[in-house]
Parts: sequence; C-alpha cells; structure tokens
Amino acid sequence: KNQVEQSPQSLIILEGKNCTLQCNYTVSPFSNLRWYKQDTGRGPVSLTIMTFSENTKSNGRYTATLDADTKQSSLHITASQLSDSASYICVVAGYMRFGAGTRLTVKP
Amino acid sequence: GAVVSQHPSWVICKSGTSVKIECRSLDFQATTMFWYRQFPKQSLMLMATSNEGSKATYEQGVEKDKFLINHASLTLSTLTVTSAHPEDSSFYICSAPSDRVGYEQYFGPGTRLTVT
Repeated sequence: KNQVEQSPQSLIILEGKNCTLQCNYTVSPFSNLRWYKQDTGRGPVSLTIMTFSENTKSNGRYTATLDADTKQSSLHITASQLSDSASYICVVAGYMRFGAGTRLTVKP
Repeated sequence: GAVVSQHPSWVICKSGTSVKIECRSLDFQATTMFWYRQFPKQSLMLMATSNEGSKATYEQGVEKDKFLINHASLTLSTLTVTSAHPEDSSFYICSAPSDRVGYEQYFGPGTRLTVT
C-alpha cells in the first residue's frame, strides 16, 4: 500500500484561479516532506522542502503547509498560469516515498 | 542550483539488446545516486540505490542481473538494461542528493526508453 496518498488525482482549472492539492502520509520515520513539479517527459523539480517543525513554506506562487500531527500537507497555487500545467508530486523523506501525483491542467 | 544530467534523453532499441543510461552530477559530487522508473501516469518507483565504489542496493522485485548499475566515480552512475523487452519500455530517472546544506534531491531530466 502506498504510504503517500495525493488528491485529487487530476484537476482542471482556469488560468488565474487558485487551487489546493492535498497529500496525506503514513510514512515513518519522517525527516521532511517535499513537493515537486514534474512536466511531462521531464524530471521532477523541487518546489518546497519542509521539516517536522515547519508549518508553511512559500516559493513564489506556491505555498506548502504541513501538519505533522495529522500527517497532512497541502500545496496551494495562487493565480495559476498555463505553465503550471504539470504533475505535482508529494515526497516524504526519511525513506523516500513518492505520492502518485496530482495532474494539474490550467486552461485559458 | 545543482544540476544532474542524463544521457541519452531518449532511446529506441530492439528487443534482446542492451541499453546503457548515464547519470551525471555536473557541479557536485554524489556518493549516492538513485534510479527510478516511471510508467505513464504513474508515480516514480525507486529501483535501486547506486553507491560509489560499492555494489548497488536494489529494491524488492527489481532484478539486479537485468538492471546493472555501476557507480564508477563521484559524478557518474550508469544503468544498463540488459536483454531489453518491450515491458521494459519506460521513463528512467536518476537523482542525486546535494552535498550542500539542506540535502536537496536533484533529479535528472529522465531517459525515455522504447523497446520494439
């Protein structure tokens, strides 16, 4: 069973709108939680890394939150752009466990 | 930021042949590199951990005799898919942890393998 669950599996939004992606995990031990953006046919690119003590971290229009008590994380994208269309992968480290990703499509 | 490259970016080979994929850390040394496989619309699956100067560690279910890994230097790891079959067609990605503070994991751009 995958120990990192992401939702939704896919999401379509209009350009300029905001969206939030979810990541729930049961991975132990926990070292940090990472969000990556993966364009089709490319390797993942890091967006944020959060340790146990961090609740939120921003990278431009991307803001990640972490609740270590409930083992939940979210990635909020503000004012979406067409170039945000990609898969967003949640990875929990200690031992690297990958979520299946959320496929985001931003339409004009 | 640190860069990890892969070569080739895509390759088409005939069934039964072997294919070598290179993973290089361009501006940092990596004693450890990771190899992943990704099927369409699926997540990355860790195949093996490549260790410089020693044998690779394979994940359960990954055939070490089929996927040969060589980590010959601190900046190069290679994955050789031996006697490739159509079911080996996939997107192969490597990653390397940075030697800098923060231990960021840098991914290569991936190699698309198609076995005909």
